[in-house]
Amino acid sequence: DQQVKQNSPSLSVQEGRISILNCDYTNSMFDYFLWYKKYPAEGPTFLISISSIKDKNEDGRFTVFLNKSAKHLSLHIVPSQPGDSAVYFCAASASNNDMRFGAGTRLTVKP
Amino acid sequence: NAGVTQTPKFRILKIGQSMTLQCTQDMNHNYMYWYRQDPGMGLKLIYYSVGAGITDKGEVPNGYNVSRSTTEDFPLRLELAAPSQTSVYFCASMQVANYGYTFGSGTRLTVV
Repeated sequence: DQQVKQNSPSLSVQEGRISILNCDYTNSMFDYFLWYKKYPAEGPTFLISISSIKDKNEDGRFTVFLNKSAKHLSLHIVPSQPGDSAVYFCAASASNNDMRFGAGTRLTVKP
Repeated sequence: NAGVTQTPKFRILKIGQSMTLQCTQDMNHNYMYWYRQDPGMGLKLIYYSVGAGITDKGEVPNGYNVSRSTTEDFPLRLELAAPSQTSVYFCASMQVANYGYTFGSGTRLTVV
């Protein structure tokens, strides 16, 4: 059961433009949502998170939006930089021990 | 500060062989996790531990065993390797209640 879905396996944007990565979930018990970034041959690194009591969290160039009624979250990167090229995983959790991950979206930022 | 260290980075096993994937963290984190990532799929939880001496099954535990004798170490054991266990394995740790996992760099395992 794929409780967290990232329907776009890849995304390509021009440097300086906005990157929008999307994620949908099915479990209404999820109350914490995270984005991880992964470079080749490395483990994922935590990027940004949001709890279900908020609808937006911002950290520098990265903003996560949560739409609970639609069970949808998105990650906005503005402006996109070539160093942002990586695979981005969406994750959702209802407890410390049940974090579910999406399949990832490969972002390519072209110079 | 090394974070989460996994060894080995790569391994090829024959069907039926056994091996232990090592994971060590130096951040004094209570929570530790083992995930596997198959091509085109998200990470799936194999086993987790909330502290030394305590382990529990995740989403896909069959074919694996773990132990947690110390806070630092959380080894994953494959007893009878099968081709279905070909995957990239990630160990992670977490400080209580902040949800941000720290991942190791992964072990790429191929069973032939």
